[in-house]
Amino acid sequence: KAGVTQTPRYLIKTRGQQVTLSCSPISGHRSVSWYQQTPGQGLQFLFEYFSETQRNKGNFPGRFSGRQFSNSRSEMNVSTLELGDSALYLCASSRLSDLNTEAFFGQGTRLTVV
Amino acid sequence: AQSVSQHNHHVILSEAASLELGCNYSYGGTVNLFWYVQYPGQHLQLLLKYFSGDPLVKGIKGFEAEFIKSKFSFNLRKPSVQWSDTAEYFCAVNPPLGGATNKLIFGTGTLLAVQP
Repeated sequence: KAGVTQTPRYLIKTRGQQVTLSCSPISGHRSVSWYQQTPGQGLQFLFEYFSETQRNKGNFPGRFSGRQFSNSRSEMNVSTLELGDSALYLCASSRLSDLNTEAFFGQGTRLTVV
Repeated sequence: AQSVSQHNHHVILSEAASLELGCNYSYGGTVNLFWYVQYPGQHLQLLLKYFSGDPLVKGIKGFEAEFIKSKFSFNLRKPSVQWSDTAEYFCAVNPPLGGATNKLIFGTGTLLAVQP
């Protein structure tokens, strides 16, 4: 079956702009999480959505937001971009039908802020 | 602060050498534990996972890990590495949040280079 699909794969934006990233989870998966990966900070949890509701949120400023649609697809938005937002943004999906589930990751969106 | 620690940031081995990567976490209660691998240019892939039961878990490509609850550790091992194991390895914890969650806390990663 198809894996987690993230679009676009690469993005270049200028400071002050906003950006929207998209994630389509594996069919049947209802939980979507987002992570930021940078060389300095590693992989950091942004937020998690399940059935269109945000269940958990990481320690990021309010400029980072997300949502999930009824078909489980998710988007994350970053407003007023800063140079430090340059990173690989990863999306992960899981069934989350019980406590013991595993997350499957997409290939990520590489965001460069100039 | 609660965290996941990987002690080795960069490891260089020759082919056929044995590998052990350390991982410690500081969460109390029941946690789920994972090792992920990221090959150059590829997405994160699950190597193995521990939810409960036998503390010695076997994963793909000959990797295994041992959960030692008293030491809050989940070290990754492979008896004989290959050049194709060159990748970055991440330990991750599903922290106890009182319910099902997809939230993962990752270690800083270990970059493994295997020399032919």
